[in-house]
Amino acid sequence: NAGVTQTPKFHILKIGQSMTLQCTQDMNHNYMYWYRQDPGMGLKLIYYSVGAGITDKGEVPNGYNVSRSTTEDFPLRLELAAPSQTSVYFCASSYSGGTFNQPQHFGDGTRLSIL
Amino acid sequence: GQQLNQSPQSMFIQEGEDVSMNCTSSSIFNTWLWYKQDPGEGPVLLIALYKAGELTSNGRLTAQFGITRKDSFLNISASIPSDVGIYFCAGPGAGGTSYGKLTFGQGTILTVHP
Repeated sequence: NAGVTQTPKFHILKIGQSMTLQCTQDMNHNYMYWYRQDPGMGLKLIYYSVGAGITDKGEVPNGYNVSRSTTEDFPLRLELAAPSQTSVYFCASSYSGGTFNQPQHFGDGTRLSIL
Repeated sequence: GQQLNQSPQSMFIQEGEDVSMNCTSSSIFNTWLWYKQDPGEGPVLLIALYKAGELTSNGRLTAQFGITRKDSFLNISASIPSDVGIYFCAGPGAGGTSYGKLTFGQGTILTVHP
């Protein structure tokens, strides 16, 4: 009954370092999403994928990269981390588009601080 | 891009009170979603609305899709301590409903005093 699993839960990164946030889902969902949540703000879409091998930019993609080699996994990579990327990152998945009777299921988030 | 504005930003209420919050958009939405985020967890879908004027309930929660299609409302009746959390409205972002790209409001933080 895992759902969407994100690792790590917490991490501190130094400015300029790189890191990959892991996301995996066991529901055989086609659609996967990465959001970031800043304090007092809603979630903003970084990247999304509609299936293995297909990814596209969301609202705030700068400074991030993604890949989708399998249905289950959708890692998010930060290259040259900057303090502005300090945030809570959420991965989500859905069977279809996520709005019509197929809600997006969210992981518990990765809390990332860049110092 | 599209923006969703939620109000109030935060609420402090006593257990047993009713709660009302709303969400307005700068553009027309075809779907409204209400999510709740418990501390330290990801958001969970509470209610989905698909038609203007629609009123939908989920236990003590009732949500309405505004007739203008630019707003939505969420009511919680007889609040209990476990209602604490952040409530988000969301809807399909620019580009329509394809791919499930959602725009989220900034959230309403609810605190319930026993």
